Amino acid sequence: AQSVTQPDIHITVSEGASLELRCNYSYGATPYLFWYVQSPGQGLQLLLKYFSGDTLVQGIKGFEAEFKRSQSSFNLRKPSVHWSDAAEYFCAVGMNYGGSQGNLIFGKGTKLSVKP
Amino acid sequence: EAGVAQSPRYKIIEKRQSVAFWCNPISGHATLYWYQQILGQGPKLLIQFQNNGVVDDSQLPKDRFSAERLKGVDSTLKIQPAKLEDSAVYLCASSSRVRLAGETQYFGPGTRLLVL
Repeated sequence: AQSVTQPDIHITVSEGASLELRCNYSYGATPYLFWYVQSPGQGLQLLLKYFSGDTLVQGIKGFEAEFKRSQSSFNLRKPSVHWSDAAEYFCAVGMNYGGSQGNLIFGKGTKLSVKP
Repeated sequence: EAGVAQSPRYKIIEKRQSVAFWCNPISGHATLYWYQQILGQGPKLLIQFQNNGVVDDSQLPKDRFSAERLKGVDSTLKIQPAKLEDSAVYLCASSSRVRLAGETQYFGPGTRLLVL
């Protein structure tokens, strides 16, 4: 069955430090992968997505993610975290076949706190 | 361009009562999704519409949940009767094209439901 695992429930980093959020997926076909961010009381906003080509994907707000097929991973990174990055981050896989085509399967999310 | 609109933003009801949520997607978007996000979890798809037709409702608890998208524009999600476990944030999302796996979904701010 298709699934997304985000192993870290909560991460705290200092402002200016680098960040890596982990995401592992289980999917039988070529995955379409997404990272969304959710600020308190807000809907989800797309940070970046991958479905082919260069395995290093650039997104908004200085985020990037690297697709590693051999590890079934799609980790999100940022070289220098800002206080405004504090939010919850969700990794998702997009279904690309069958009756669920177009649907997203989300991980449980990683909450990011930023220390001053 | 206006985003996805949802109302109400908050709702408190007692168990066994009925409740309805409304969503207006981005103008011209063909596909509309309803997700349920329980506290501490990622969003879970309830139903997907393509224009005014249902294309995937496999995860919708049909004994109590119903949804419609008349005229292929705005949509209503109803719960009748509500149970305690329905307490969650209900997110609406839309995407411009029909059922493409890599298509970006744009999310509304959600309706936070508390069932007492």
